[in-house]
Amino acid sequence: QKEVEQNSGPLSVPEGAIASLNCTYSDRGSQSFFWYRQYSGKSPELIMFIYSNGDKEDGRFTAQLNKASQYVSLLIRDSQPSDSATYLCAVAAGTASKLTFGTGTRLQVTL
Amino acid sequence: EPEVTQTPSHQVTQMGQEVILRCVPISNHLYFYWYRQILGQKVEFLVSFYNNEISEKSEIFDDQFSVERPDGSNFTLKIRSTKLEDSAMYFCASSRDYTAHEQYFGPGTRLTVT
Repeated sequence: QKEVEQNSGPLSVPEGAIASLNCTYSDRGSQSFFWYRQYSGKSPELIMFIYSNGDKEDGRFTAQLNKASQYVSLLIRDSQPSDSATYLCAVAAGTASKLTFGTGTRLQVTL
Repeated sequence: EPEVTQTPSHQVTQMGQEVILRCVPISNHLYFYWYRQILGQKVEFLVSFYNNEISEKSEIFDDQFSVERPDGSNFTLKIRSTKLEDSAMYFCASSRDYTAHEQYFGPGTRLTVT
């Protein structure tokens, strides 16, 4: 069974701080890694994707991938109350393959 | 910005009835997917579809489920005889092609089976 593991949280960070969200995966053949944001009652919204080891930055978001450790992380800089949501890590074995999701980490950004 | 759309937003049906959930993927996308999320649980893959064929399906996608692309824009999920445990949010997603395979999700259809 190919698993994606995330700490369910909640992860509470003050406004303006850095939020660090982590994800591990079991399938060593995984090639594509995604972070989705899901507000309560809404659908997953793609915010970052990463395919190669290292860091990828987009605005306030940085995705980090370490395939040797089977570890993906998402950093959110200057956290805002509007960032409060559940962050889903998803992994795909190949291009155009199904996504396997983790259970998500609930992030709370406090004022 | 193009979006995946889904109808209806909420469907209530009685056990044993057939339902059809509809999706319009992003227009230049070639790969289509259905996922579901039972309340409080993780998002689960159901089926992927490419070139008018099922590419992959999960164990959840049994004979009660079918998918179809009836025309150039719609992509449908049919559940033939709904069960109580089919109650969930159903999400359609699409991705552009083999090289740009990021999946974009629609707003979902909440299916309630009574």
